[in-house]
Amino acid sequence: NAGVTQTPKFQVLKTGQSMTLQCAQDMNHEYMSWYRQDPGMGLRLIHYSVGAGITDQGEVPNGYNVSRSTTEDFPLRLLSAAPSQTSVYFCASSYTQGAGELFFGEGSRLTVL
Amino acid sequence: GEDVEQSLFLSVREGDSSVINCTYTDSSSTYLYWYKQEPGAGLQLLTYIFSNMDMKQDQRLTVLLNKKDKHLSLRIADTQTGDSAIYFCAEMSGGSYIPTFGRGTSLIVHP
Repeated sequence: NAGVTQTPKFQVLKTGQSMTLQCAQDMNHEYMSWYRQDPGMGLRLIHYSVGAGITDQGEVPNGYNVSRSTTEDFPLRLLSAAPSQTSVYFCASSYTQGAGELFFGEGSRLTVL
Repeated sequence: GEDVEQSLFLSVREGDSSVINCTYTDSSSTYLYWYKQEPGAGLQLLTYIFSNMDMKQDQRLTVLLNKKDKHLSLRIADTQTGDSAIYFCAEMSGGSYIPTFGRGTSLIVHP
């Protein structure tokens, strides 16, 4: 099992550009989520999904879109990047039953100039 | 909303014990977790405890839960330089699948 795979690991964008961060998991997890991590702010939940076709907003959803067309994939789209979106982004997945251990990807470091 | 608080930094000498503390506000928390994040990596679950337990031990790790005070701690015995990382406390209510994370405690281990 590869676990949770995120691409790209690093990306530099100019203000106003768009891009998609990819996330895939091979554990048949129902729950998938995106976090951003900023110094001193911990992890903040952006969007999450409990299954194909179902998405919902987290704590900081503005400026980001998600979709969940398959169980495996949960891409995060930045439609018009802003410097405030410079951050490290983590995708995580889990089962919705039981202790709910979250499995995290390695992270994607995004810089918006 | 519900909150999880932990101190931001802890510095210890190699070989000493480390104790990382966490407080939470949700009285319906069912699962309490400790995650570890090494530099440049994602978070990885270290251990978790059910709310009906007050202690869990796993090799060098001891988790203590005081449900009355809503206080969780992680003790690392014989701390090594490889334990240097950020440690996140998290809680989740039964029936939920979205954990609430603290801001993380940076553990620095020096010789």
